[in-house]
Amino acid sequence: AQSVSQHNHHVILSEAASLELGCNYSYGGTVNLFWYVQYPGQHLQLLLKYFSGDPLVKGIKGFEAEFIKSKFSFNLRKPSVQWSDTAEYFCAVNAADRDDKIIFGKGTRLHILP
Amino acid sequence: GAGVSQTPSNKVTEKGKYVELRCDPISGHTALYWYRQSLGQGPEFLIYFQGTGAADDSGLPNDRFFAVRPEGSVSTLKIQRTERGDSAVYLCASSKGLAGGLTDTQYFGPGTRLTVL
Repeated sequence: AQSVSQHNHHVILSEAASLELGCNYSYGGTVNLFWYVQYPGQHLQLLLKYFSGDPLVKGIKGFEAEFIKSKFSFNLRKPSVQWSDTAEYFCAVNAADRDDKIIFGKGTRLHILP
Repeated sequence: GAGVSQTPSNKVTEKGKYVELRCDPISGHTALYWYRQSLGQGPEFLIYFQGTGAADDSGLPNDRFFAVRPEGSVSTLKIQRTERGDSAVYLCASSKGLAGGLTDTQYFGPGTRLTVL
């Protein structure tokens, strides 16, 4: 069964700093990969997703993620964070070749200092 | 409606009681998902409906948990003989239900926070 590991549970950055949140998954087959975000007091929402094609995926609000198959990784990046990026970020994976359920990581709580 | 709605937003119950949690998906979405999120964890898949039928219920933890979607729209998650360990936020999501439904973009509701005393 697949699993997802997010290395950082809590990240604190100052505005304008660059961001990279780590995500690794375990599954040997074809995967679909997702990053979801939950802003304070709001619903969980999709930030970006990778199904196939270009491994560098661009999402909303200037976020991007790169799928590196050899490293089983799908790290989330943003070159310059804003205070409004304060939120909890969840990486998720599903086995595309089995159309299986989505498995979420434990999340990374990001706090941006103004 | 404009988004996925869930009721109640909070539910406090006593150990051993029965609870029902309701999810109203986005109009026209044929796929509906239930997840459970415990403190410090990501959402954990419980069950997935395509239309009225449960296409995948492998995430239901035991037979105390049951979900229905009789008309292919609103869904109810039912928990019998609640235990303290059932305390969590129960999330519902819906998607358009295209081929490969489990990889459709899922739109989440606000969740129901269940507390079992």
